[in-house]
Amino acid sequence: AQSVTQLDSHVSVSEGTPVLLRCNYSSSYSPSLFWYVQHPNKGLQLLLKYTSAATLVKGINGFEAEFKKSETSFHLTKPSAHMSDAAEYFCVVSEAAAGNKLTFGGGTRVLVKP
Amino acid sequence: EAGVAQSPRYKIIEKRQSVAFWCNPISGHATLYWYQQILGQGPKLLIQFQNNGVVDDSQLPKDRFSAERLKGVDSTLKIQPAKLEDSAVYLCASSEGRGRDNNSPLHFGNGTRLTVT
Repeated sequence: AQSVTQLDSHVSVSEGTPVLLRCNYSSSYSPSLFWYVQHPNKGLQLLLKYTSAATLVKGINGFEAEFKKSETSFHLTKPSAHMSDAAEYFCVVSEAAAGNKLTFGGGTRVLVKP
Repeated sequence: EAGVAQSPRYKIIEKRQSVAFWCNPISGHATLYWYQQILGQGPKLLIQFQNNGVVDDSQLPKDRFSAERLKGVDSTLKIQPAKLEDSAVYLCASSEGRGRDNNSPLHFGNGTRLTVT
């Protein structure tokens, strides 16, 4: 069975400083992994996805994530936070054995201080 | 391209009443999903359609929830009767891919926020 754990429910950073959102997954087979962002009262938007190609994945808005199989992690980073990055972020896993059904983590809410 | 459209944006009902949500996916997208997102949690899949057929409804509370996609395009999700614990945001998403091997990215609508009092 697949599952996702986002280790921080809230993260607070200052504008211009790095952002790190931590995600660990559990999957029986080779998973696909995604990060989605949700701004207030908006739908979810795909930031990036990993599907067994390069382990370092670059996404939109300067975000990137690194797949580490040995650590079962897929942490999301950005070198310099912007005020517009304030939102909720979801780490998501899917695997073919589960019909590619998406399983969402509980989310990490990011606050960016000026 | 136009995104996934959902209506209404907000709905407030009393428990035991009925409610329906509507979703129009991106044109040409074969697969449509309904998710329930309870406050403070990640979205949970309720039902997945490919065209007008159900692919996965294993987490749909079928005693009170129903969904249809009769013509393989837009879809409605109904709750009858509603309970307090149904208060959540109901998200519709669509993707180009087909079937259980679908790994195409999902495009989400803005959701319908339901409050049951």
